[in-house]
Amino acid sequence: DAGVIQSPRHEVTEMGQEVTLRCKPISGHNSLFWYRQTMMRGLELLIYFNNNVPIDDSGMPEDRFSAKMPNASFSTLKIQPSEPRDSAVYFCASTLLGQHTEAFFGQGTRLTVV
Amino acid sequence: GENVEQHPSTLSVQEGDSAVIKCTYSDSASNYFPWYKQELGKRPQLIIDIRSNVGEKKDQRIAVTLNKTAKHFSLHITETQPEDSAVYFCAAKAPPPRAGGTSYGKLTFGQGTILTVHP
Repeated sequence: DAGVIQSPRHEVTEMGQEVTLRCKPISGHNSLFWYRQTMMRGLELLIYFNNNVPIDDSGMPEDRFSAKMPNASFSTLKIQPSEPRDSAVYFCASTLLGQHTEAFFGQGTRLTVV
Repeated sequence: GENVEQHPSTLSVQEGDSAVIKCTYSDSASNYFPWYKQELGKRPQLIIDIRSNVGEKKDQRIAVTLNKTAKHFSLHITETQPEDSAVYFCAAKAPPPRAGGTSYGKLTFGQGTILTVHP
């Protein structure tokens, strides 16, 4: 397996534009996480899905953020409209549901909003 | 929800010294505690983990200890090397659901520790 795949790797956009980040989890994994990483806040959990169902979105900062998981092999995180303070590295991670299972991270998407 | 606190935020040691990073968690039901290492510009990767029914686990120069009563766990790196320089994250995972539980599988990270090992 190629691991967790995220796209794009880098995104530069203007304030106010819509941004869509994509994630393909490891085949067979049934739990998926979206994290945002900044120097100030570390790794913040934005939302996670179990079996394609959103379980906890309490970390989503504002209504401008939304996430979907239409099937077991694809998830998106959308920011609309984007703002400069959204600039960060966004990671997707996947794992098998269970008590003691490793979560594997994608390469991340570095988002810059100017 | 779960809250994971990690200290220190930065740690600087000389090559060959030991390094210790400490974390506390708030949910006494959490039962899986992984540690991740993130090198500059790369993704976090698991280096060691511990389950709640174990007090200590070792893997070569790395060890993790868990005190369930105190809700505290630590990462110990002995004989540090320059290549150990990275950001280290602890995490706690929510257990399977109980009656009314909704946080199954939630993986919460600490704020990270920047470890620098000087040659």
